[in-house]
Amino acid sequence: DADVTQTPRNRITKTGKRIMLECSQTKGHDRMYWYRQDPGLGLRLIYYSFDVKDINKGEISDGYSVSRQAQAKFSLSLESAIPNQTALYFCATSGPGGGRNTGELFFGEGSRLTVL
Amino acid sequence: AQSVTQLDSHVSVSEGTPVLLRCNYSSSYSPSLFWYVQHPNKGLQLLLKYTSAATLVKGINGFEAEFKKSETSFHLTKPSAHMSDAAEYFCVVSDWDQFYFGTGTSLTVIP
Repeated sequence: DADVTQTPRNRITKTGKRIMLECSQTKGHDRMYWYRQDPGLGLRLIYYSFDVKDINKGEISDGYSVSRQAQAKFSLSLESAIPNQTALYFCATSGPGGGRNTGELFFGEGSRLTVL
Repeated sequence: AQSVTQLDSHVSVSEGTPVLLRCNYSSSYSPSLFWYVQHPNKGLQLLLKYTSAATLVKGINGFEAEFKKSETSFHLTKPSAHMSDAAEYFCVVSDWDQFYFGTGTSLTVIP
């Protein structure tokens, strides 16, 4: 089984619908991240969480919300999906690095979302 | 502020020839640097990482990268390209809290 699992892997929806992407991990990491990948833009950070009570906005959080239900679970929601949110979404985890983040990211396989 | 610039969006090489993927970074601190690879329809996999130990870092599948502080570079190399190396490659810099991604380099390997 994968260490970082994303569901669904593919989703097609319509403008205005609410969508939730789920992420669960078995690595025991405290740090979890949601990224969005668009061609030519690399990965951009949407939200990140360093523990259940710590949620932080990334560079492109508008139109998204998150929930950290447990150490192992971090969900991304689109309250009212729009076509320019069509993208590949990745969940990732990272181990502790103390005051300096020397740990690497571990990625899920991605969730491809299409908003019509 | 941290940032990463990948100098080439596309690189094509012939099978068996060397690979060079270029990355420059900007960091206020002594950074951690990473190279990730993404094969089609897959997640990102760590190739190698630099975290202030040896400046020449060896990774998986024959890749290596050299940290050059004076040039603020962390270029990825491989002596001989294989067809299976065709993928998207991302250079990443990390500071205290976050990871900053370059825009990626697509590597094509010509038979």
